[in-house]
Amino acid sequence: GAGVSQSPRYKVAKRGQDVALRCDPISGHVSLFWYQQALGQGPEFLTYFQNEAQLDKSGLPSDRFFAERPEGSVSTLKIQRTQQEDSAVYLCASSLRGAPSYEQYFGPGTRLTVT
Amino acid sequence: GDSVTQMEGPVTLSEEAFLTINCTYTATGYPSLFWYVQYPGEGLQLLLKATKADDKGSNKGFEATYRKETTSFHLEKGSVQVSDSAVYFCALVNQAGTALIFGKGTTLSVSS
Repeated sequence: GAGVSQSPRYKVAKRGQDVALRCDPISGHVSLFWYQQALGQGPEFLTYFQNEAQLDKSGLPSDRFFAERPEGSVSTLKIQRTQQEDSAVYLCASSLRGAPSYEQYFGPGTRLTVT
Repeated sequence: GDSVTQMEGPVTLSEEAFLTINCTYTATGYPSLFWYVQYPGEGLQLLLKATKADDKGSNKGFEATYRKETTSFHLEKGSVQVSDSAVYFCALVNQAGTALIFGKGTTLSVSS
C-alpha cells in the first residue's frame, strides 16, 4: 500500500513569506508526528496528533509554527513569516497506534530553503 | 532532559568487516529504544527496537542489546555489505511518551 507522502518535496521561500507543508499519512493510522531535521543532525520533534487532537506541541520552536489535522487524516504544518533558521527538512511520520513506541513510518520529507 | 548520544562518523569499512556504532542515552526510567536507518534518497525506516532492559532487537543481520547498567544500545553487525551504506540514527521515546528523540546520526560507508 501507499506510504506516507509529503508535498511539496522542495520549497523555496523568501524570508517573511508564509509556507504550508502537507502530510498524507498511511490510511487508518491514528498517530501523526512532525519533525524538523537540520543538515547533519537528527530529526527533532515538533508536534504530535492522535486523530484530530494535538496532544503535544512542545517542540514547535515559536508561535510562527502552527500545525493542524482537522479530520484526523491529512495534516498541514504552517510556518508564518519564514526566517533563514527555518531552513531544514520537515519530516512527517505516522503510526498505527496511539504511542510512539509503535513503529513510525516516515515520509520523504519537505526540504524548505528560506532565502 | 532525555537525550541520545551517538558516535560521530563517518564510519568507513570494507565489505565483510564487523560494525559497531555506539549509542548511549540519558532518560528517566527505561524508555523503548530504536535504531532507524536512512538509505540514500529514501526516508527513515525502523531497523530494530527493544522495549525493556536486556532485550535484544535484531533485523537484517543487525543487533542491539538494551543495557540499562551502561545506558547503552550499541548497534552491531558481523559482516557488513555495500548495501548497508546509509545513515543510522539511535532514538528513544521521550518521557511524555509522545515523540522520539534522535541522536545526530552516524554515516556508514562500506566499500567493496
